[in-house]
Amino acid sequence: AQTVTQSQPEMSVQEAETVTLSCTYDTSENNYYLFWYKQPPSRQMILVIRQEAYKQQNATENRFSVNFQKAAKSFSLKISDSQLGDTAMYFCAFMKEYGNKLVFGAGTILRVKS
Amino acid sequence: GAGVSQSPRYKVAKRGQDVALRCDPISGHVSLFWYQQALGQGPEFLTYFQNEAQLDKSGLPSDRFFAERPEGSVSTLKIQRTQQEDSAVYLCASRPLPGQGLSYNEQFFGPGTRLTVL
Repeated sequence: AQTVTQSQPEMSVQEAETVTLSCTYDTSENNYYLFWYKQPPSRQMILVIRQEAYKQQNATENRFSVNFQKAAKSFSLKISDSQLGDTAMYFCAFMKEYGNKLVFGAGTILRVKS
Repeated sequence: GAGVSQSPRYKVAKRGQDVALRCDPISGHVSLFWYQQALGQGPEFLTYFQNEAQLDKSGLPSDRFFAERPEGSVSTLKIQRTQQEDSAVYLCASRPLPGQGLSYNEQFFGPGTRLTVL
């Protein structure tokens, strides 16, 4: 069975600064997908960024980028130029290559301070 | 187009009551998922449908939980004889087929139904 671990329950960052959220996972699969989802307070979960395990290049989406280390089974999220609207719970998630269900970590609460 | 919608948004039930939670997926999405999210935790998979077929129900915690999607669109999650430990947010998500767009493997989530069992 796959497991996802987010070791930082809460993080804070000043507006305009950079923050990195950590995620590690355990799997025996060779090909899979990794995701970061954002869940703002009282709002629905949205996808931030996605990484295919067979791609060596780290995914980027505007201010969001990942550091994917397949051998170490690590998948961290870097948020640059943090904005107040980035305040949310962030979940790391895993899915097998031909799988269906997402396996989530426990989440990291990120607070961006002005 | 419209996103995934869920109703009711909030439900309070007395222990022992039956509840029904509804999910309207994005039009045309063949895959539908239910997750349970306890307070302060990540969502946990309950069940998965492809069209009207329930292909995986391995996450349903007990036989008090039942899900259906009879016409391959709207889905209902039913919980019988609710218990306090059933209190959680129930999330529904839908996903398109490969080739339906650039979002393959992305699950689109609804706002959830917060169930409180007293």
